[in-house]
Amino acid sequence: QKEVEQDPGPLSVPEGAIVSLNCTYSNSAFQYFMWYRQYSRKGPELLMYTYSSGNKEDGRFTAQVDKSSKYISLFIRDSQPSDSATYLCAMSGNAGGTSYGKLTFGQGTILTVHP
Amino acid sequence: DTGVSQDPRHKITKRGQNVTFRCDPISEHNRLYWYRQTLGQGPEFLTYFQNEAQLEKSRLLSDRFSAERPKGSFSTLEIQRTEQGDSAMYLCASSTQGVGELFFGEGSRLTVL
Repeated sequence: QKEVEQDPGPLSVPEGAIVSLNCTYSNSAFQYFMWYRQYSRKGPELLMYTYSSGNKEDGRFTAQVDKSSKYISLFIRDSQPSDSATYLCAMSGNAGGTSYGKLTFGQGTILTVHP
Repeated sequence: DTGVSQDPRHKITKRGQNVTFRCDPISEHNRLYWYRQTLGQGPEFLTYFQNEAQLEKSRLLSDRFSAERPKGSFSTLEIQRTEQGDSAMYLCASSTQGVGELFFGEGSRLTVL
């Protein structure tokens, strides 16, 4: 079993829909949780970053972390065709040490938002 | 452009040949990471440098792989005696010390025939 599980989709939604993406994990040492967006043939770019449990909102994006359930989510409101990409969840351990940048990624969910 | 730069973007080679990839991080970043991504999978950590010191290597990094960051600036990743299983996207990322986001380059895609 992988440390981080993510449904690869693909997920297809109409423009304007609310999109829900999620990951589960097994390593209780993870404290930092990120969502990256990756367009085809490009490197991942950071969308959201959250420390420990809680919610974080940035524009149309909301990230939620529930450490007790080892479950994280990303919500996209008013989705746009330009949101079509692969969304990767990523996690890491303690800050300040070498393990912070050692990210463990999910498989990625392919999202298509059609007009 | 002040982002992470990787070269070449795509390399096609025959099995058994050696290949080298270069990464130029964002100039003020002292941490540099290499990841490998295969089709349909998320990136997997390979190795990490803080300045010129290689501080951690994954078990994925077999003895055919070697990475260097000689002056704490650019880094190279060399794969010797390439195998078809080495075909992947090799991603470089950089960050500042402490808590900070990783900035990824666009990757170097390796195809081993």
